[in-house]
Amino acid sequence: EVQLVQSGAEVKKSGESLKISCKGSGYSFTTYWIAWVRQMPGKGLEWMGIIYPRDSDTRYSPLFQGQVTISADKSISTAYLQWTSLKASDTAMYYCARLRFLESPADFWGQGTLVTVSS
Amino acid sequence: QSALTQPASVSGSPGQSITISCTGTSGDIGGYKFVSWYQQHPGKAPKLMIYDVNYRPSGVSNRFSGSKSGNTASLTISGLQAEDEAVYYCSSFTSSSTVIFGGGTKVTVL
Repeated sequence: EVQLVQSGAEVKKSGESLKISCKGSGYSFTTYWIAWVRQMPGKGLEWMGIIYPRDSDTRYSPLFQGQVTISADKSISTAYLQWTSLKASDTAMYYCARLRFLESPADFWGQGTLVTVSS
Repeated sequence: QSALTQPASVSGSPGQSITISCTGTSGDIGGYKFVSWYQQHPGKAPKLMIYDVNYRPSGVSNRFSGSKSGNTASLTISGLQAEDEAVYYCSSFTSSSTVIFGGGTKVTVL
């Protein structure tokens, strides 16, 4: 069974760093891309970026370039989304999802990680 | 890069058909067949309903169908049921090799 299991909810303060995770199982982790999607409270989905765990090829949406870092450790089938200095506006639900190719649909999604940043 | 344009809300009675539009540009919807639709119930992760304009993943009801004309894609739900009440998002691959979403459409079953 394909699963993407994300790390638990986080409550942080502005200026703090954070790294959340997404662990894949039930499929070949290195042959699918992993994307990260933001959903701010009461708002729509926003594509943040994507990584290919086999070679760590990473692409960012222009809005998120330089704001976050996407990485992966293929040895433990886990992708990460990282901030060095959180802002209150980073408060959101973050989803990971897998794609077969860059242009493929996101066919499986993680359960989401809620990040709350207080100022 | 602006989000794809969807109506904020669409409603229909049980058994009726509704259509949600999703308008982009030649750099996304108009240029590629890689349009997907996702259903999101409150508090849940999105679920893929349609991909590559008009293909359904295994397990998705055939009441859901997709189409595209020019820069506009559409999702039609026929035989509307109470369980279809959710927010629906379109998405498209873009000329920047990234993905863009629509703003979402809340479907209400009257």
